[in-house]
Amino acid sequence: GAVVSQHPSWVICKSGTSVKIECRSLDFQATTMFWYRQFPKQSLMLMATSNEGSKATYEQGVEKDKFLINHASLTLSTLTVTSAHPEDSSFYICSARFGGANYGYTFGSGTRLTVV
Amino acid sequence: QQPVQSPQAVILREGEDAVINCSSSKALYSVHWYRQKHGEAPVFLMILLKGGEQKGHDKISASFNEKKQQSSLYLTASQLSYSGTYFCGTEGIPNDYKLSFGAGTTVTVRA
Repeated sequence: GAVVSQHPSWVICKSGTSVKIECRSLDFQATTMFWYRQFPKQSLMLMATSNEGSKATYEQGVEKDKFLINHASLTLSTLTVTSAHPEDSSFYICSARFGGANYGYTFGSGTRLTVV
Repeated sequence: QQPVQSPQAVILREGEDAVINCSSSKALYSVHWYRQKHGEAPVFLMILLKGGEQKGHDKISASFNEKKQQSSLYLTASQLSYSGTYFCGTEGIPNDYKLSFGAGTTVTVRA
């Protein structure tokens, strides 16, 4: 089955520093990846759509200069949280679709970010 | 726009049944169902497409009422492994291939 590998699983960083999260599609090519943020006991909120070879599109209210997305190849998308602050602490998850519109999404294992 | 899920939580004993509902205020292309265990990523259960289909796997099944813009997930003869938070995700028409997730339903199955 389609696998999306996400690293790291967790990261603790100091306020003001930047953190990079990677998502790789292991056995398929993902021209599009989606990045979500999930606060405790809440739903998944779509942050941005990452497209290979072009700029990411961000959802309303998401700061594109703070959450930098790069989709450098058909198998790798990265999310960099710049100048992280405690309010950025959350669970970040990527997902991609293996197959066309009639298929579900495969999620990465998620990254727990804690900013201290 | 997020779909509305109900109930928020349900507690079951092994072997009992449950229904989780998901409704949207807009026309839907598809409805997805996912289950998330604590601290883990969501796992895809099934997708229902335009046309009002029903499908299932093992004792978990779902239906999609296209006209009512609703879907229901049925947990039959629940097992301990069914515990988790269930999310419905919807794609609207026209399909922009973006999933909007409901708030989730926490299912606890007890022995």
